[in-house]
Amino acid sequence: NAGVMQNPRHLVRRRGQEARLRCSPMKGHSHVYWYRQLPEEGLKFMVYLQKENIIDESGMPKERFSAEFPKEGPSILRIQQVVRGDSAAYFCASSPPGLAGGRYEQYFGPGTRLTVT
Amino acid sequence: AQTVTQSQPEMSVQEAETVTLSCTYDTSESDYYLFWYKQPPSRQMILVIRQEAYKQQNATENRFSVNFQKAAKSFSLKISDSQLGDAAMYFCAGYNQGGKLIFGQGTELSVKP
Repeated sequence: NAGVMQNPRHLVRRRGQEARLRCSPMKGHSHVYWYRQLPEEGLKFMVYLQKENIIDESGMPKERFSAEFPKEGPSILRIQQVVRGDSAAYFCASSPPGLAGGRYEQYFGPGTRLTVT
Repeated sequence: AQTVTQSQPEMSVQEAETVTLSCTYDTSESDYYLFWYKQPPSRQMILVIRQEAYKQQNATENRFSVNFQKAAKSFSLKISDSQLGDAAMYFCAGYNQGGKLIFGQGTELSVKP
C-alpha cells in the first residue's frame, strides 16, 4: 500500500506566480490535511478536507490560498501571487474514514518545499 | 484552544544511553490523543508513538515509551538504547476534535557515537 504521495517535492516560483501543490492520500483514506512548516518551526495546521468538502480552513491565510479535494484525483493546495514569505515546506497528511480511533492517526507525505525567489 | 509546548530546543545523548524528551499540553477536551513524530533530515514526518487520553497505561513501541501524566498535562518520550538513527527533530502533537494536529516547537536530538 503506497503511502501519501506529494508532488512536486521541490518547487521554485518567482514572486507573483502561482504554486500548485498536489497530494494523493493513502488508498482508502478520505480525510486530507495540509500543514505548513516554516524554517526552524513546527508544523502549523492549514486546512482539513474530505472529498468535495472543506471541513476546517481555520489555518488558511484569508487571501491567495485555496484548497480542494475533488471526487476524483488528488487534493490541491493552490497559492496565488506567491510572496517570499510563502517559502516553506508544505506537508499533506491523510487518515481513514470510519471509527474515531482510526481517524486520529494521520500519515504524512514527504512534503513539498516551496521556494519563492 | 489546545496548546502543545516543548521547552527543550536541543538534546544530546550518548549512543546506547537513554534520553527523555519533554512535552506539556493544555486542552479543555476530555477525549484526546497525543503523539510523538520524528522528522529526520529527509524531512519525512514519521509517527513514533501515540497515547489515548482515556488509557491509563503508558504506550510503548520497542525502544520508545511515553510517560503520560494526565493531571500534570505532561507527555514525555523516553528513548532507550539510543541509536545513531534516532538523531532527528522530534515533535509532540495533540489531536484536536476538530480534525487538526497541534504541534509543539520541536526538540532536536543528536546522538553521539
